[in-house]
Amino acid sequence: QQQVKQSPQSLIVQKGGISIINCAYENTAFDYFPWYQQFPGKGPALLIAIRPDVSEKKEGRFTISFNKSAKQFSLHIMDSQPGDSATYFCAASIGNAGNMLTFGGGTRLMVKP
Amino acid sequence: DAMVIQNPRYQVTQFGKPVTLSCSQTLNHNVMYWYQQKSSQAPKLLFHYYDKDFNNEADTPDNFQSRRPNTSFCFLDIRSPGLGDAAMYLCATSRGMAGRKTDTQYFGPGTRLTVL
Repeated sequence: QQQVKQSPQSLIVQKGGISIINCAYENTAFDYFPWYQQFPGKGPALLIAIRPDVSEKKEGRFTISFNKSAKQFSLHIMDSQPGDSATYFCAASIGNAGNMLTFGGGTRLMVKP
Repeated sequence: DAMVIQNPRYQVTQFGKPVTLSCSQTLNHNVMYWYQQKSSQAPKLLFHYYDKDFNNEADTPDNFQSRRPNTSFCFLDIRSPGLGDAAMYLCATSRGMAGRKTDTQYFGPGTRLTVL
């Protein structure tokens, strides 16, 4: 079944803190896991993505941790800033199936100054 | 610098009055997608074009149609909008290269549709 479950639905973090968003998937055929960031009134924008052949990927303050055996992956935002306040969607796709994205339900992050 | 452009950004229509939303791209990507996003929900794929090949999601209502007259443009037609069709409509594109496993989708800013 092609489902991606995301938690929490909303998250409040103090400036400078670490924001952690978790996703779990069921379909072991998924082989590409992007995270999208969406600001109000804007379209989602790719933030960072990972393939299952690595356990971690870091880009600046953003890190994806991937646990293939548990079928889970998470986004960590280090030194969270008020400008990071947005909705974050995890997603998954199967590379040879047209790259159709299955989105998680989204997490609304608020970073307090 | 604009890559995926959607017009209009805001559209108001009346119940049952046909409406067309447009999307254009400057990326020369093969694949174009239309998503519906309701408040506080994830985007839901309606359909996509791989070049001229149209692919409809199984649960997309017949009320929604799409046209892709050329590589750059794609239209979403809602034949008889209902109140439940009020949403943000997102267009996205991707390269669609065969065998490429990381085919990033680039989203436009969306068109917010209001149905009165």
